[in-house]
Amino acid sequence: AQTVTQSQPEMSVQEAETVTLSCTYDTSESDYYLFWYKQPPSRQMILVIRQEAYKQQNATENRFSVNFQKAAKSFSLKISDSQLGDAAMYFCAVTGNTPLVFGKGTRLSVIA
Amino acid sequence: NAGVTQTPKFRVLKTGQSMTLLCAQDMNHEYMYWYRQDPGMGLRLIHYSVGEGTTAKGEVPDGYNVSRLKKQNFLLGLESAAPSQTSVYFCASSYWGLAREQFFGPGTRLTVL
Repeated sequence: AQTVTQSQPEMSVQEAETVTLSCTYDTSESDYYLFWYKQPPSRQMILVIRQEAYKQQNATENRFSVNFQKAAKSFSLKISDSQLGDAAMYFCAVTGNTPLVFGKGTRLSVIA
Repeated sequence: NAGVTQTPKFRVLKTGQSMTLLCAQDMNHEYMYWYRQDPGMGLRLIHYSVGEGTTAKGEVPDGYNVSRLKKQNFLLGLESAAPSQTSVYFCASSYWGLAREQFFGPGTRLTVL
């Protein structure tokens, strides 16, 4: 079974600053994938970033990057130059040969 | 290209009533999923389908049934609604493979009184 733990229910960041959201996971699969999804107040789920576990290089998408520590089973999301539009729930998720498993989410507030 | 759509967007039911949620996708995706989202619980998988005519149970399947008669549609049924099924329901779809990016619908807020 796969599990995902997001230990920070809520986080806040000043506009233009950097924030890191934590995620740890557990899986018995050797080949798996990790995701961060964003859910703004509109409720729409949006993919932020995806990481293949076999790749050592950390994924980046513009202001979003991850710190993937495979041995520690850690997959944190860093948001640089935070913007008001980044305010949302963020979900970490893992999948391999079984369906996607989500963490409980971190609510990010951005302070102007 | 509408992506993933869900019908209805809101619904209020009385305990014991039945209803069907409809999910449609126009991206020719093989895989489709139904999730429920409850406060503080993240998204939990109810059922999923890896192709037309197939269904499989997820983490929380009890009290729900699904059907995938057409590739583009995935129906979620509640035969006898209970207050514990009050939730926001999301449908998603993806190309072949469980590791592919999932595209989500806008959600359906269901309240069971």
